[in-house]
Amino acid sequence: KQEVTQIPAALSVPEGENLVLNCSFTDSAIYNLQWFRQDPGKGLTSLLLIQSSQREQTSGRLNASLDKSSGRSTLYIAASQPGDSATYLCAVKYSGGSNYKLTFGKGTLLTVNP
Amino acid sequence: SQTIHQWPATLVQPVGSPLSLECTVEGTSNPNLYWYRQAAGRGLQLLFYSVGIGQISSEVPQNLSASRPQDRQFILSSKKLLLSDSGFYLCAWNRENTIYFGEGSWLTVV
Repeated sequence: KQEVTQIPAALSVPEGENLVLNCSFTDSAIYNLQWFRQDPGKGLTSLLLIQSSQREQTSGRLNASLDKSSGRSTLYIAASQPGDSATYLCAVKYSGGSNYKLTFGKGTLLTVNP
Repeated sequence: SQTIHQWPATLVQPVGSPLSLECTVEGTSNPNLYWYRQAAGRGLQLLFYSVGIGQISSEVPQNLSASRPQDRQFILSSKKLLLSDSGFYLCAWNRENTIYFGEGSWLTVV
């Protein structure tokens, strides 16, 4: 069964701290992996997309890595800010199939305290 | 630019009542369209996807149905809602490697 797990479920850090969110997937035959941000009661905003052939992607203070062999991805947030508080979701697009089905983790609720 | 609209944003419906959630996409043609549900304490789950007008695929057995009457319109429906249908429903569309989500519709069945 293709599953995506995110640890921890919730994380609270003081402002300015660097942090890492973890995502693991059970099947290494992935097409790509994507990190999303979700604010309370809102839709999803794509943060970073890593293709299966890539090792990492960077956008501003965010860096996402991908290790297919171990079935893991991390999202690194540098110098966290209160505005980073949100739920972060990891989603995997597995290889094969005609549709863009994403398998999501349950997310990590991040709170950055001023 | 492409945009995606979902409505209503919030609704409270009694058990046994019908449901209709609508999603429209602008700025693109022939998109793949998706309905996801996010229930409390659970990850997002794909409910339906459509690769063209009148073409609907269901991912999980459930009390809901979907229709695509026009190229850029995707509708999620139910004839009789159950308590377990409560959740946050997200419409999405994709082209190639990018997927875009709507703002979501909160459904509370009481």
